[in-house]
Amino acid sequence: KQEVTQIPAALSVPEGENLVLNCSFTDSAIYNLQWFRQDPGKGLTSLLLIQSSQREQTSGRLNASLDKSSGRSTLYIAASQPGDSATYLCAVKPGGSEKLVFGKGTKLTVNP
Amino acid sequence: GAVVSQHPSRVICKSGTSVKIECRSLDFQATTMFWYRQFPKQSLMLMATSNEGSKATYEQGVEKDKFLINHASLTLSTLTVTSAHPEDSSFYICSAHPPGTTYGYTFGSGTRLTVV
Repeated sequence: KQEVTQIPAALSVPEGENLVLNCSFTDSAIYNLQWFRQDPGKGLTSLLLIQSSQREQTSGRLNASLDKSSGRSTLYIAASQPGDSATYLCAVKPGGSEKLVFGKGTKLTVNP
Repeated sequence: GAVVSQHPSRVICKSGTSVKIECRSLDFQATTMFWYRQFPKQSLMLMATSNEGSKATYEQGVEKDKFLINHASLTLSTLTVTSAHPEDSSFYICSAHPPGTTYGYTFGSGTRLTVV
């Protein structure tokens, strides 16, 4: 059974700092991995999608990497801003399944 | 592109009544939609997979008679919470996957249900 773990559960940083969020999964047979952002009381916003054949994806200040063989992904946020404060969720799509498996998220607070 | 619209965003209902939540794919056809429930400070829990033109598939432990799902068209799925009770109060979110590999899953904005 696929399990997704996100570390740390919470992170507080000063504005301007670069930071890394970690995601690990137990079964390397994934189709893709997706990073989401969730603001309080809101739905999920997709940030980056990495296919199983890819090593990384970039969007603006965000960079996500994928090491499928070791079951790890990282989300790198450069020059963090208070507006980046949110919960970040990692989810994998197992091969042969339509159902996403989510981690419990990392709650990020960027202090001005 | 790849937008999922969910309504209402908030609803308060009396115990014993039913509430319907709508999830629409605005710019793509979705043969499958997913319904999640999220408890405070917890991650999403998949409740059911909604299939256009056929019965929904419910996850273990989810009461199909309480959470009625209808997916009558390629752009609309509805979740009806029947005979709602305070313990059904939660945040409900729908999701769909646009065709192709460019997009991952896209989510609605969620519905906060409060049963009083």
